[in-house]
Amino acid sequence: GAGVSQSPRYKVAKRGQDVALRCDPISGHVSLFWYQQALGQGPEFLTYFQNEAQLDKSGLPSDRFFAERPEGSVSTLKIQRTQQEDSAVYLCASSPRTGNSYEQYFGPGTRLTVT
Amino acid sequence: KQEVTQIPAALSVPEGENLVLNCSFTDSAIYNLQWFRQDPGKGLTSLLLIQSSQREQTSGRLNASLDKSSGRSTLYIAASQPGDSATYLCAVENSGYALNFGKGTSLLVTP
Repeated sequence: GAGVSQSPRYKVAKRGQDVALRCDPISGHVSLFWYQQALGQGPEFLTYFQNEAQLDKSGLPSDRFFAERPEGSVSTLKIQRTQQEDSAVYLCASSPRTGNSYEQYFGPGTRLTVT
Repeated sequence: KQEVTQIPAALSVPEGENLVLNCSFTDSAIYNLQWFRQDPGKGLTSLLLIQSSQREQTSGRLNASLDKSSGRSTLYIAASQPGDSATYLCAVENSGYALNFGKGTSLLVTP
C-alpha cells in the first residue's frame, strides 16, 4: 500500500512569503505528527493530531506556524511570513495507534529553503 | 527534557565488518525506543522498535538492545555492506506520542 506522501518535495520561498506544506498519511492512520529537521540535526517534534484534533502543538516555534487536519486525514502545515531560520526539512509521520506505542511511519519530507 | 545522544557522530568501516552504534538517553521513563535509517534527501525508514518491556529486537543483520535502567541502547549491524551506508537515528518516546531524536550516526561502509 501507499506510504506517507508529502508535497511539495522542495520549496523555495522568499523571506516574508507564506508557505503551505501538505501531508497525506497512510489511509486509516489515526495519529499524525509533524517534525522539523535542521541540517545535521535529528528531527524535532512540532505538533500532533489524533484524527482532526490537535492534541499537542507545544513544539511549534512561533505563532507564525499553524497546522490543521480538518477531516482527520490530510494535514497542512502553514508557515506565515517565512524567515531564514525556518529553512529545514519538514517531516510528516503517521501511526495507526491511539494508545500505547506503535511505530511512526515517515514521509520523504519537504525541504524548505527561505532566501 | 529528554536528551538523546548518539556516539559516534560518524563512522567509516570496510565492508564485512560488524559494528555497533550507541544511543543514550537521560530519562528512563520511556514507552519505546526506535532506530531509523535516513538516506540523503530521503525520509526516515523504521528499522527496529523496542517496547519498554523488551530487552532486544532482531531483524535480519540488525540487532537492537535496550537497557532502560542505564539509559542505553545499541544497534548492532552484522557483516556490513556498502548499501548500509546512511545516517542512523535513535529516537525515544516518553509522552505517548512525540519522539525525541538524537543527532544520528553517519555510517560509511567502503567496498
